[in-house]
Amino acid sequence: EPEVTQTPSHQVTQMGQEVILRCVPISNHLYFYWYRQILGQKVEFLVSFYNNEISEKSEIFDDQFSVERPDGSNFTLKIRSTKLEDSAMYFCASSTGTVEEPQHFGDGTRLSIL
Amino acid sequence: GESVGLHLPTLSVQEGDNSIINCAYSNSASDYFIWYKQESGKGPQFIIDIRSNMDKRQGQRVTVLLNKTVKHLSLQIAATQPGDSAVYFCAEMGTAGNMLTFGGGTRLMVKP
Repeated sequence: EPEVTQTPSHQVTQMGQEVILRCVPISNHLYFYWYRQILGQKVEFLVSFYNNEISEKSEIFDDQFSVERPDGSNFTLKIRSTKLEDSAMYFCASSTGTVEEPQHFGDGTRLSIL
Repeated sequence: GESVGLHLPTLSVQEGDNSIINCAYSNSASDYFIWYKQESGKGPQFIIDIRSNMDKRQGQRVTVLLNKTVKHLSLQIAATQPGDSAVYFCAEMGTAGNMLTFGGGTRLMVKP
């Protein structure tokens, strides 16, 4: 069964440094998403991406965040200058182009900011 | 603001029994709901979904019930197995886009 893959599984970064989290969505999916889950809290929506542009974003997704689809298979989340409170699990998800279809999640990247 | 919440944070059941996990939602405009299972160290795994024009949907050993009158969603797992032990999240999607709003999660523990 096709799946969303994320790398790395764990990223440790010094505060203030840039970090890039990588995702390979399911190949025939057209919508891509990033969510995050701070330890012990709910999964929170960050951003959705369709047709090479952001379609929705939450208030969490401020100017420090950006997303990119640099080629036909990868989808990346960049945090420009990390803060301690960015420590969380970051999940990538993808879905087909139709509304009301399930989003399929990767196993996440654990981001630890020191 | 709108939110999705869960009634029970932890549910412990005996292997072979049926499990019922509940979820309340407050956005009456939500029209699509999903149940996810999250095992330790893994991402949310899709279990079953339901659209607002339905009140029941069945899968393999799982059933989702939607009561729009009281804005309540439940996940029923038949003959619960040790492999069902995980955290279960409900998530809802409104009409404005594809953003999912997740509930807080219920931990299901299956005793052998």
